[in-house]
Amino acid sequence: NAGVTQTPKFQVLKTGQSMTLQCAQDMNHNSMYWYRQDPGMGLRLIYYSASEGTTDKGEVPNGYNVSRLNKREFSLRLESAAPSQTSVYFCASSRNSGTEAFFGQGTRLTVV
Amino acid sequence: DQQVKQNSPSLSVQEGRISILNCDYTNSMFDYFLWYKKYPAEGPTFLISISSIKDKNEDGRFTVFLNKSAKHLSLHIVPSQPGDSAVYFCAASGWQGAQKLVFGQGTRLTINP
Repeated sequence: NAGVTQTPKFQVLKTGQSMTLQCAQDMNHNSMYWYRQDPGMGLRLIYYSASEGTTDKGEVPNGYNVSRLNKREFSLRLESAAPSQTSVYFCASSRNSGTEAFFGQGTRLTVV
Repeated sequence: DQQVKQNSPSLSVQEGRISILNCDYTNSMFDYFLWYKKYPAEGPTFLISISSIKDKNEDGRFTVFLNKSAKHLSLHIVPSQPGDSAVYFCAASGWQGAQKLVFGQGTRLTINP
């Protein structure tokens, strides 16, 4: 079972470049999330999708956009990358919003 | 505004002893609490949860205690094993099925042989 799959695993961007982080889950979960992890800050929610067709901002949405393409896929886009967006990004899914979430392996993004 | 706080960045425990990780929350609307474990270069994995209608939940070596009046929860690991060395995150949500998960900063647990 794949669970939650994120691509890419590593990425280096130059300031101002754009990119999309992809996430797919095969557990038929309704809710999906994007978190970032920074030292000493824990996991901070960027955006989430409680169900297919809906998206909502989390704690740190500025500089990001998301698309819930279908029930399986939830992508995160950086339109103009900044060094402050250097982080490890995790996608997660859960049966319903607020319940046990299953995480992908993460994308380590460096913006130079 | 940190709604879920883990005030100990790190904890070191002898193998075989009890590990106690603590977590405090400020939002009284939280009613579902979870603990996650994270190894380096991996995503967090779910460990154990507790609903606000309970004050204790046990799963093998892991027990979570909830003190609603103090807005405090703790994770006990007994006995601690070297494989328990990891970062532990507590998380909280509103009534189940309606609210997103909010995480604490994490506590790095090191089990010494």
